[in-house]
Formats: sequence, C-alpha cells, structure tokens
Amino acid sequence: ETGVTQTPRHLVMGMTNKKSLKCEQHLGHNAMYWYKQSAKKPLELMFVYNFKEQTENNSVPSRFSPECPNSSHLFLHLHTLQPEDSALYLCASSQDRTHQETQYFGPGTRLLVL
Amino acid sequence: DAKTTQPPSMDCAEGRAANLPCNHSTISGNEYVYWYRQIHSQGPQYIIHGLKNNETNEMASLIITEDRKSSTLILPHATLRDTAVYYCIVRVAHGSGNTGKLIFGQGTTLQVKP
Repeated sequence: ETGVTQTPRHLVMGMTNKKSLKCEQHLGHNAMYWYKQSAKKPLELMFVYNFKEQTENNSVPSRFSPECPNSSHLFLHLHTLQPEDSALYLCASSQDRTHQETQYFGPGTRLLVL
Repeated sequence: DAKTTQPPSMDCAEGRAANLPCNHSTISGNEYVYWYRQIHSQGPQYIIHGLKNNETNEMASLIITEDRKSSTLILPHATLRDTAVYYCIVRVAHGSGNTGKLIFGQGTTLQVKP
C-alpha cells in the first residue's frame, strides 16, 4: 500500500463512451502525475501537476483531459478513445521541489477500449 | 536526463543475492540514481536512490562506482516475490526546476527461481 489509490482498477469502454479515471493520494504531496503503459512498452509520462497547476503535457491527444481540483485528487477524463489507447494508466505523486521528489505510484487502471 | 543501460533479463536462485547492474556513463554531477521495480500488472514501486555514496535500506543496497558511471542494485536474499522488472533511472536533483521527470526504459526482468 503506497498511499496512492486509483479507481476503477479495470475499465472496459466503447469508442463513443465517456469515462473518468480517479486518483487520490494520502501522502500530503503536492505533485501528481499520469503515466501510460502500453503492452511491452516503457512507461510514458502524460501529464504533471504541481500545486494543482499543470506543468507538463507530453503531446497527449485531446481525447485525454486531466483535472486536478486539489493536491490530493487527480482525474483523467476520457472520451472518443481508440483501441490503441488500451493500456495500464498509472497515477503517481511526490512532494514538492524542496525534497528529492521520490514518486509513489498507485496500482493503476487497466483500460480496454473496444 | 541521462540514459541508462540494463541487461534485459536475469535469473536468480531463491535465497541467493540478486545483483542487478546499470550503466549510466553520461550521468551528470547533480543527477541521482533511482531504482524502481514493477511486479506484473502493478504500479512501479520505489526501492532506493543515491547520489554517490552507497545506500542501504530494508529492501536493498545500492552500490555506486566511484566515477558514478555505473551502479548495482543488490537484493541480499531474493524471494519468489522479488520477480519483477527492475528499472534504473537517473534524474536531476531537486531545486533544478524539473518537477519529477522519471524516464523509464525497458528495465531488467528478474526471474527468481526456486
């Protein structure tokens, strides 16, 4: 148990659906991240939030829309996804810039787009 | 961030020490060496990190060569539950303005055998 929770753990959706992934951290951290891990590929950083402000978007398609209402919660809103978006989506958090920023990951959401 | 090179796979007998090497010949003076592992279909788990001194915690030891161009992660008594992909990552220290960018490679798949 890392202190980072993600829901749902598994999700199957059609290409016309709209769904949201939720991440919550109980560590008092101020930075949160979304990563994508496709089959047999390294983790890819998608978004970074620091003190609720988005500081990085790694050229992620607009069908992925992040939201960070506060430092403890992070959402990833999904709409009109493609089958190639099927992957494990991982959330992580870390403390702010005054520390060495070790990232702690949640268990991930396994997404299947049909 | 500097790139790292790891062997794609390794085997280890249960109860023996597992020594996982990592080359980071282009590492800069302000870059730390981090190790994470990922057990199948779970989120990555932080193991240990260091700058230039050897480090030890309850999970593992990290040995960094004097020139800092390579390091070894040591699991002193490997168990079957240590079977995972192990990632060696180098990244800048805090205060650099870079909010927690972890760049994952392919890692080393460690198979612990009975």
